[in-house]
Amino acid sequence: QKEVEQDPGPLSVPEGAIVSLNCTYSNSAFQYFMWYRQYSRKGPELLMYTYSSGNKEDGRFTAQVDKSSKYISLFIRDSQPSDSATYLCAMSAYTGNQFYFGTGTSLTVIP
Amino acid sequence: DTEVTQTPKHLVMGMTNKKSLKCEQHMGHRAMYWYKQKAKKPPELMFVYSYEKLSINESVPSRFSPECPNSSLLNLHLHALQPEDSALYLCASSQYGDATEAFFGQGTRLTVV
Repeated sequence: QKEVEQDPGPLSVPEGAIVSLNCTYSNSAFQYFMWYRQYSRKGPELLMYTYSSGNKEDGRFTAQVDKSSKYISLFIRDSQPSDSATYLCAMSAYTGNQFYFGTGTSLTVIP
Repeated sequence: DTEVTQTPKHLVMGMTNKKSLKCEQHMGHRAMYWYKQKAKKPPELMFVYSYEKLSINESVPSRFSPECPNSSLLNLHLHALQPEDSALYLCASSQYGDATEAFFGQGTRLTVV
C-alpha cells in the first residue's frame, strides 16, 4: 500500500464550479499536510499548509484535515480557468525530513 | 520572500559531459532537498541536507553527486548521465529538518542526449 493515495483524475469542471480534491494516507504519524499546485513544466507552488486536524481558508481555497479518517481535502470555490493545473498533496511526520507526495490530480476548468 | 532560485532553467548534455545544477534560497531555511520529476509523476526524493549535512540519500546512482557549500546553496553535480535521467530536477527548502512547509524552485529541465 502506498503511503499517500490520490485520485489522478483527470477532473474537468465548468468555470465557477466548486472543486473538491482529496487524498488518503495510511501513516498515523503524519502531522503536516500541504497542497501544491503545479503548472505544466513548472515547479510545485505551495498553496496551503496545515498542521494536524482542522480547516484552513485562504481566499478561494479551503484545506481540511481529518486525522481520524486519515483523509485530507482541498476545496476551490468559484473555480477559474487559471486554476487548471495538477494539484499535489504532500505530508510529513513530526520527525524526519521526508515529504510523501500523492500522485497528483489533473484539473481543467472550462471557460 | 519565499523564493527558491534554480539555475539553469534548461540544460542539454551529452552522456560524457559533466555539469552542475545550482539552487539558492535566502529564507534562512536549514533543510534543502533535491527531487527528480518525470512527466505526469509526482516528485521523487533524491537527497536531503539538514543543517548542511547530508541526512537522506535515496539510493541515487553515483553519477549524481550533491553538495551543500553553505546554508543557502545546494548543488547537484552530474556526470556520465543516461538518457533515462532526463527529467525536471527540483530543489526545495524548509525551515527546519522536521519537514515543515517546503518551498520549491521552478526546476531545471534536463535532457541527456
